[in-house]
Amino acid sequence: DQQVKQNSPSLSVQEGRISILNCDYTNSMFDYFLWYKKYPAEGPTFLISISSIKDKNEDGRFTVFLNKSAKHLSLHIVPSQPGDSAVYFCAAGSGADGLTFGKGTHLIIQP
Amino acid sequence: KAGVTQTPRYLIKTRGQQVTLSCSPISGHRSVSWYQQTPGQGLQFLFEYFSETQRNKGNFPGRFSGRQFSNSRSEMNVSTLELGDSALYLCASSLASGRKLYGYTFGSGTRLTVV
Repeated sequence: DQQVKQNSPSLSVQEGRISILNCDYTNSMFDYFLWYKKYPAEGPTFLISISSIKDKNEDGRFTVFLNKSAKHLSLHIVPSQPGDSAVYFCAAGSGADGLTFGKGTHLIIQP
Repeated sequence: KAGVTQTPRYLIKTRGQQVTLSCSPISGHRSVSWYQQTPGQGLQFLFEYFSETQRNKGNFPGRFSGRQFSNSRSEMNVSTLELGDSALYLCASSLASGRKLYGYTFGSGTRLTVV
């Protein structure tokens, strides 16, 4: 049973517009969440994280929103740039356990 | 500073054989975690080592094992390989064990193909 779900396998957004990537989770024990970005033939790169005590965290063009009651988080990228084209993974953690990852969303930024 | 180094990058093995993968973490990082990435299952946690001790283990059979050396380098071993073990194996390092709110640093992975 998937505890972290990214329901959109792919997303296409025009350059300059906002990209919104979504993630849902089922385990209420998760107490922090992260987003990773992955290019082909490279390992995932950490982007941004949020603790369960917050509902928003911002870092430059990237903002992560957490809605605990809905067990939903989203990553906003604004403005979207061509270099943002990659696969984005949502991950969740609880205490010292290993991270649980979603299956990823392939973001395509169109010129 | 050097990133996380995984060797080899690519490996082809025959069903029934065993394989050992290596990971050198970022200098000063003492926690090493291993993940398996497949198209069907995504990234799945295998285990984490910290100070030569296994701290956490994911839901994988006993054929998957690992160890960590005093210099924090880690190896992962898979015995009696099955076709379904074909995957990208990723190693990630961090300063400490526990919550990874600041994320891991991943290596580029070892692509294992079992034929």
